[in-house]
Amino acid sequence: DIQMTQSPSSLSASVGDRVTITCRTSQNINNFLNWYQQKPGKAPKLLIYVASSLQSGVPLRFSGSGSGTDFTLTISSLQPEDFATYYCQQSYSTPYSFGQGTKLEI
Amino acid sequence: QVQLVQSGAEVKKPGASVKVSCKASGYTFTNYGISWVRQTPGQGLEWMGWIRIYNGNTNYAQKFQGRVTMTTDTSTSTAYLELRSLRSDDTAVYYCARDRDSGSYGDYDYWGQGTLVIVSS
Repeated sequence: DIQMTQSPSSLSASVGDRVTITCRTSQNINNFLNWYQQKPGKAPKLLIYVASSLQSGVPLRFSGSGSGTDFTLTISSLQPEDFATYYCQQSYSTPYSFGQGTKLEI
Repeated sequence: QVQLVQSGAEVKKPGASVKVSCKASGYTFTNYGISWVRQTPGQGLEWMGWIRIYNGNTNYAQKFQGRVTMTTDTSTSTAYLELRSLRSDDTAVYYCARDRDSGSYGDYDYWGQGTLVIVSS
C-alpha cells in the first residue's frame, strides 16, 4: 500500500497569507494526486485533481504542483473561508490512501 | 444538480451488520463509479472500495475483504455499503463519493452527507 505523509499537521496563518502544504508518497504515483478541503461536520470537497488541475468552481488562489513522490498545495492569499483541514489522496493504485490532514487555523 | 443522499445514523452492537444507502440524483447513475470512504478520529479518511455501476465490478480494500459488500440498485439509483461483524473501531462516519469523471478513478467530485455508524455494546 502507498503511504502518504502530509506536512505540517497544523498551520497557523492570517488572512492574506500565502500558504503551502506538502504531501509525500512512499512510491512514485506519477501525477495521480488529489487535494480536498474539509470543514467540520461536512464531507470533503475536491480542490485539485491529477496534481495540478483545478476542479470546476474552485477559486484560482488554489493551485497544486508536483509529480512522482512530492506534491504541494498552495493557497496564494488566504481568505476567511479557507480555514479548514486539507487532505491529499493518491489515486494511482488501490487502496486509494489519504494523508493524515493539515489543519489550517487562524 | 448532482446529489448523493445517504441514510441516517445507526447504532449497532458488536458482531452485527450495517447497511448504508446512498441515493444518487441529477446525473446518469450508471455512467460513474461510486466509492465508499470512512472517517474516524483516530484513522482519518480511509478508502474502503469502489463499485463500477455499469457492470457491478467491485474493488475492496484488503483490510475489509470478507466483511464488506458494495452493491447497487440501478432502478432506484442507489448504492449500498454493507459491513458485517462490526467492531468498536468501525465506529465512524461513512461517506459515498462519486468519481469525478466517467473515465477517472479515485478522485471524487460529489460526496454524500455522511452516515454516522456507532458500534457499542
